[in-house]
Amino acid sequence: DAGVTQSPTHLIKTRGQQVTLRCSPKSGHDTVSWYQQALGQGPQFIFQYYEEEERQRGNFPDRFSGHQFPNYSSELNVNALLLGDSALYLCASSLVGKETQYFGPGTRLLVL
Amino acid sequence: AQKITQTQPGMFVQEKEAVTLDCTYDTSDPSYGLFWYKQPSSGEMIFLIYQGSYDQQNATEGRYSLNFQKARKSANLVISASQLGDSAMYFCAMREWNRDDKIIFGKGTRLHILP
Repeated sequence: DAGVTQSPTHLIKTRGQQVTLRCSPKSGHDTVSWYQQALGQGPQFIFQYYEEEERQRGNFPDRFSGHQFPNYSSELNVNALLLGDSALYLCASSLVGKETQYFGPGTRLLVL
Repeated sequence: AQKITQTQPGMFVQEKEAVTLDCTYDTSDPSYGLFWYKQPSSGEMIFLIYQGSYDQQNATEGRYSLNFQKARKSANLVISASQLGDSAMYFCAMREWNRDDKIIFGKGTRLHILP
């Protein structure tokens, strides 16, 4: 039973560039949530996708956008990168109505 | 106000001893869930244990148990017979079922198990 997978594992970008991160949910899960974890902090909720729609959103600017595909996989896009966007980006999947979200290994983004 | 408070930034514990990681929470939603996740240096957030606000019994999963004191809004994680592989960051988290679907995390406790 494959768990949550994310790609790439590491990424280095420069300020102003755009980045796309990818996530495949755990088998049987239909909901994907994205979190940003800055160094030394707990993860912060960015948004959640269900049935290819953004269901909820945290306090993140419009530079952060996403997409969910019919196979439930998801992308996180960040435009006009800032130094402060450097973080570990975690994807979590769940089944709608169930309690637990299961996380992937994350993508470490460094913005120079 | 912080929704999840973890007051221990770091802890050192001797191998094979039991350890308690503290967590207090703040919510007005009567229906909520509490989670503990483990994050090794690799970065992956590993689900350990879940407690629902209406659950009568404290949750247990192998060596992990959750000491749930609802009136005190406390949800401490107890790890029995600690092992070297337990060294990691531990996050307490909450989900408010009548509010939204996001998980709110605390700042974490770094646990070091000493041989």
